[in-house]
Amino acid sequence: GESVGLHLPTLSVQEGDNSIINCAYSNSASDYFIWYKQESGKGPQFIIDIRSNMDKRQGQRVTVLLNKTVKHLSLQIAATQPGDSAVYFCAEFYGGATNKLIFGTGTLLAVQP
Amino acid sequence: EPEVTQTPSHQVTQMGQEVILRCVPISNHLYFYWYRQILGQKVEFLVSFYNNEISEKSEIFDDQFSVERPDGSNFTLKIRSTKLEDSAMYFCASVQEDSPLHFGNGTRLTVT
Repeated sequence: GESVGLHLPTLSVQEGDNSIINCAYSNSASDYFIWYKQESGKGPQFIIDIRSNMDKRQGQRVTVLLNKTVKHLSLQIAATQPGDSAVYFCAEFYGGATNKLIFGTGTLLAVQP
Repeated sequence: EPEVTQTPSHQVTQMGQEVILRCVPISNHLYFYWYRQILGQKVEFLVSFYNNEISEKSEIFDDQFSVERPDGSNFTLKIRSTKLEDSAMYFCASVQEDSPLHFGNGTRLTVT
């Protein structure tokens, strides 16, 4: 049978509210960070990225904040919509020649209509 | 917009059998990857591939795993003798350089 997976942290918000998803990364030498969205049955989909020489970057309805001092990333989604319901992963590039991308645990965002 | 394509979408195999998962990365990309996601868990790095050789591999990527780029378009992951615990989603990804990885929609491997 299938293995029992870990319970993902879950954020439940009302449609129209703002969402904030947090992530702690592990490698202080990482210099590039990406947020991915994963819908059921699909691969990770790029949302927004940020490099270590920045502390904030904005996209359409999304903002990523980077705090290198405490190795923390956050993803803010404005006016959350039902279509935003998915698992969100932060990922960090370990750098070097391999461009190895390491994913965090993930947060399930549930948008209530 | 170009995308990474993976086949098959679902593969069922018996324990001990060999499977080959196939991927067509985006055409001008240079780095290729395989990742694994066990149900409900995070996406785990398996292997990266550049310039026709493995750049890095994780501890998961043991001797039963191999990758190949047999021609200019395909990138394959072979599992020689599957185990029950190999059941997972397998994602292929590619990137040009220093930019976000583009992922396919995965192959669900079920080992019975």
